[in-house]
Amino acid sequence: EADIYQTPRYLVIGTGKKITLECSQTMGHDKMYWYQQDPGMELHLIHYSYGVNSTEKGDLSSESTVSRIRTEHFPLTLESARPSHTSQYLCASSEWTGGGTNEKLFFGSGTQLSVL
Amino acid sequence: SQKIEQNSEALNIQEGKTATLTCNYTNYSPAYLQWYRQDPGRGPVFLLLIRENEKEKRKERLKVTFDTTLKQSLFHITASQPADSATYLCALEASGNTPLVFGKGTRLSVIA
Repeated sequence: EADIYQTPRYLVIGTGKKITLECSQTMGHDKMYWYQQDPGMELHLIHYSYGVNSTEKGDLSSESTVSRIRTEHFPLTLESARPSHTSQYLCASSEWTGGGTNEKLFFGSGTQLSVL
Repeated sequence: SQKIEQNSEALNIQEGKTATLTCNYTNYSPAYLQWYRQDPGRGPVFLLLIRENEKEKRKERLKVTFDTTLKQSLFHITASQPADSATYLCALEASGNTPLVFGKGTRLSVIA
């Protein structure tokens, strides 16, 4: 079944550790996104990609990096985790519809990160 | 500055009634607007998309309207059920072919 998967589901880690949040999709979508969401708040765009070897920064990108070596895989890395990174991280994908608009997003279940 | 506002953080409604949620936007000219449902601890799930040239869109008990003059979209759930309790998010593109920008959402509670 086509889907989008995020691992781990929950992560508790100490300050200063390097972490990678995994995201994979089986739908063959070209576009993938990382959003960060705090409780009761809007989703903030961290990074996005419109295809292999293409990555762009969003609003909150300065403390993380992404890579897109394969269509289905879009990992997010925090080089040095801090308590301010505690949040839910949501990965999403969408189809490329030529005109670039009108596509809906498919979201993973998210990774809840806690940095102590 | 650009802003998306959803009318209230929380809305409580009696089962069987119609829930109406509002999404207002400022300094955007979106070609379309989307609505998503989000349950606690989960990612949002797409519900409906409405284009700027469409006044209204329906899907089962859901109805969305889009008024580009008022810069507003209304999201209606008719004959609401406790299972409709969730947070509902509106989203739009800031400009062509850019990632979606989301509102904070409205948390709907349907009381039996």
